[in-house]
Amino acid sequence: QLLESGGALVQPGGSLRLSCAASGFTFSNYAMSWVRQAPGKVPEWVSSISGSGGSTYYADFVKGRFTISRDNSKNRLYLQMNSLRAEDTAVYYCAKTVVFDPWGQGTLVTVSS
Amino acid sequence: DIQMTQSPSSLSASVGDRVTITCRASQGIRNDLAWYQQKPGKAPKRLIYAATSLQSGVPSRFSGSGSGTEFTLTISSLQPEDFATYYCQHHNNYPLTFGGGTKVEIK
Repeated sequence: QLLESGGALVQPGGSLRLSCAASGFTFSNYAMSWVRQAPGKVPEWVSSISGSGGSTYYADFVKGRFTISRDNSKNRLYLQMNSLRAEDTAVYYCAKTVVFDPWGQGTLVTVSS
Repeated sequence: DIQMTQSPSSLSASVGDRVTITCRASQGIRNDLAWYQQKPGKAPKRLIYAATSLQSGVPSRFSGSGSGTEFTLTISSLQPEDFATYYCQHHNNYPLTFGGGTKVEIK
């Protein structure tokens, strides 16, 4: 199971940290990903991190603004989002591996003034 | 970046119909492809991985085929609970990308 939290309404230029609590599997053995979906749009891959946390990957549209990290001792995945823009408004999902299964229920991030 | 082109973007079908959705990759991706089903207000659910492998718990009326650049998701006999939007996604390299989606509606 994956359970996201941390979504909120934030002003443009603001910051937010999303968290994903994982259970039911050996968290440190698996890469993890964040995927977002704006209302009525196709899902978009945002970022992935290796099981150890030593390798990270980002979509171009978040590179330099978002940071993925994990705490394997707490079975938690994080997404630090800075310099948020209106176009970052979406439901953010965490997902196991890069072949996304399972997904969490999602957390809504709204960037608006 | 690898582009994933799905067709059709939508279709209308009746219960019991055979439905086929196609996904084309802009370059070869071996069998690094997954299919997802999404219902309104819910997270996507993986149906197929490695192009042809059925996710545990998914009904056998769903099947995937293809390799390289051309892939197909087939629903052999459409059921009421299958009306949803379907997406393909490659994981051959970064960035990971999704197809544009196929909305399956009731005829």
